[in-house]
Amino acid sequence: NAGVTQTPKFRVLKTGQSMTLLCAQDMNHEYMYWYRQDPGMGLRLIHYSVGEGTTAKGEVPDGYNVSRLKKQNFLLGLESAAPSQTSVYFCASSTGQGPAFFGQGTRLTVV
Amino acid sequence: GESVGLHLPTLSVQEGDNSIINCAYSNSASDYFIWYKQESGKGPQFIIDIRSNMDKRQGQRVTVLLNKTVKHLSLQIAATQPGDSAVYFCAENIWGAGRRALTFGSGTRLQVQP
Repeated sequence: NAGVTQTPKFRVLKTGQSMTLLCAQDMNHEYMYWYRQDPGMGLRLIHYSVGEGTTAKGEVPDGYNVSRLKKQNFLLGLESAAPSQTSVYFCASSTGQGPAFFGQGTRLTVV
Repeated sequence: GESVGLHLPTLSVQEGDNSIINCAYSNSASDYFIWYKQESGKGPQFIIDIRSNMDKRQGQRVTVLLNKTVKHLSLQIAATQPGDSAVYFCAENIWGAGRRALTFGSGTRLQVQP
């Protein structure tokens, strides 16, 4: 049982480039989330989804877009990367009734 | 190495001692709380949760205490082991109000001395 899988694990982007982070879960969870983690600031919610075809903004959504075309996948896009988006990105999923389960993270550096 | 947690409060304990990690929350409407453990280079790992209709819940070597009066949550780890060294986060939610995602605290680093 893989749980939550994130792709890629590491990435370096130049300012202005675009990229998509992929999250896949095999637990049949309805809810999926994207968080970013910066030093000393804990995890902050970027966007989330309560089901296939739905998305909603979290605490820090600017500069990011998401899509949930399939229940098991949640994509996070950066259209024009900025150095302020250098962070570790975590995807998570839950049933909506209990804890969220996290992937291993993607370390993104924007130079 | 992992850069997360450079400025985190740190709790240092001796191997075999009990550890207590504290968390204060601000929203009196929060009704669901979770503790996560995060090791360097890994994602947060679920440890234990508690709902607001309880004030104590026990797991294997861990106990979570909830004091709603002062909006305080604690995680107790019995007989702390070197493998317990990690950053610990509390998280909260308001299921009753339909809030669909967890809000995280800033974390506490636990260092276990052999």
